[in-house]
Amino acid sequence: RKEVEQDPGPFNVPEGATVAFNCTYSNSASQSFFWYRQDCRKEPKLLMSVYSSGNEDGRFTAQLNRASQYISLLIRDSKLSDSATYLCVVNIGQAGTALIFGKGTTLSVSS
Amino acid sequence: ETGVTQTPRHLVMGMTNKKSLKCEQHLGHNAMYWYKQSAKKPLELMFVYSLEERVENNSVPSRFSPECPNSSHLFLHLHTLQPEDSALYLCASSQGWAGGDTEAFFGQGTRLTVV
Repeated sequence: RKEVEQDPGPFNVPEGATVAFNCTYSNSASQSFFWYRQDCRKEPKLLMSVYSSGNEDGRFTAQLNRASQYISLLIRDSKLSDSATYLCVVNIGQAGTALIFGKGTTLSVSS
Repeated sequence: ETGVTQTPRHLVMGMTNKKSLKCEQHLGHNAMYWYKQSAKKPLELMFVYSLEERVENNSVPSRFSPECPNSSHLFLHLHTLQPEDSALYLCASSQGWAGGDTEAFFGQGTRLTVV
């Protein structure tokens, strides 16, 4: 079983649409959760951390369900500039470990 | 300009060549990582260094040899690679990892092609 699994995508949506990405993780010891964004032929960059209580950053809302080992990202009012690959990332949080990435979900927003 | 710099950006090498990838971080972080990104695959963690000591070797073939001479520099020495090693190699750094929000900052990567 893969450590971090994401919707395969790609998601093709019109501007203004609301789109949701889902992610599951296999290690129940995971402590930190993130969404990273990777533009075509660029390096990944942190989009937002994900907290148990859920958190929002402008048009982006992240949710975490520890019991189901499930993470989500909701993007409202999609913009053309949101087109990218979104990577679900977890960290066990122990010394000597590092971030574990999902394959990513590609979003394409069109006008 | 990113706080993590990788050179070269592109590299083409033969299977018998020896080359090195370089990573430098200007963020004062104490942990550095090598990741491999192949098409249609998630980023794969290769090596983790903390305070210049290797703390993770993720079953990487010995034809990849990391070196961390100080907390700001990380190298990946390559020799006798195979065509399937062609990928984007990403260096990252972070300040610690124990719980909390440990953001990793990535370099722009080295696009490696083995011919």
